Amino acid sequence: GQQVMQIPQYQHVQEGEDFTTYCNSSTTLSNIQWYKQRPGGHPVFLIQLVKSGEVKKQKRLTFQFGEAKKNSSLHITATQTTDVGTYFCAGESGTSYGKLTFGQGTILTVHP
Amino acid sequence: EAQVTQNPRYLITVTGKKLTVTCSQNMNHEYMSWYRQDPGLGLRQIYYSMNVEVTDKGDVPEGYKVSRKEKRNFPLILESPSPNQTSLYFCASSGQANEKLFFGSGTQLSVL
Repeated sequence: GQQVMQIPQYQHVQEGEDFTTYCNSSTTLSNIQWYKQRPGGHPVFLIQLVKSGEVKKQKRLTFQFGEAKKNSSLHITATQTTDVGTYFCAGESGTSYGKLTFGQGTILTVHP
Repeated sequence: EAQVTQNPRYLITVTGKKLTVTCSQNMNHEYMSWYRQDPGLGLRQIYYSMNVEVTDKGDVPEGYKVSRKEKRNFPLILESPSPNQTSLYFCASSGQANEKLFFGSGTQLSVL
């Protein structure tokens, strides 16, 4: 079945450093979504990418969807302590409508 | 307020004692789904429902049942819980499949 691998599993940064998490799918995706989960909280939607090669920005966050629609990345510029949490990607393949596969998540710690 | 409501928030039970975790959304969403979250494994989809009376297996359906008799409710049933079902469970909904998900606050289940 479809697998979505996300790396790294953990990332510790000093406040002000940049951060990137990567997702790779074993199959071509119809779209990919990104979520953030604060410690003790529930996942909250950040963005959805649909088009091949798509790049979207939200303030300090930049999201990319690969040309082959099999990989994606989230980059945070100049991290802040409010960025702490777990970041998940979630992909749906074109052949499994409704079946969403999440990556394992990247736990981000930001040291002030 | 638009929300997904899960109950209970915490549940401790014993092996074999049937239990139900309720999930309700007030956004008239067609799509609902259940996930379990375990350390290092991310969120894994248990079951999903595209609409009333339509349910499908996710990646880890064994040991679980669901029903979708009404649009707003999507209960998760464990007929004979086992310790390996100890986990954090999330219900989520979206207007349609492949749209952004709204998550409930989660249910921490411990099976002794």
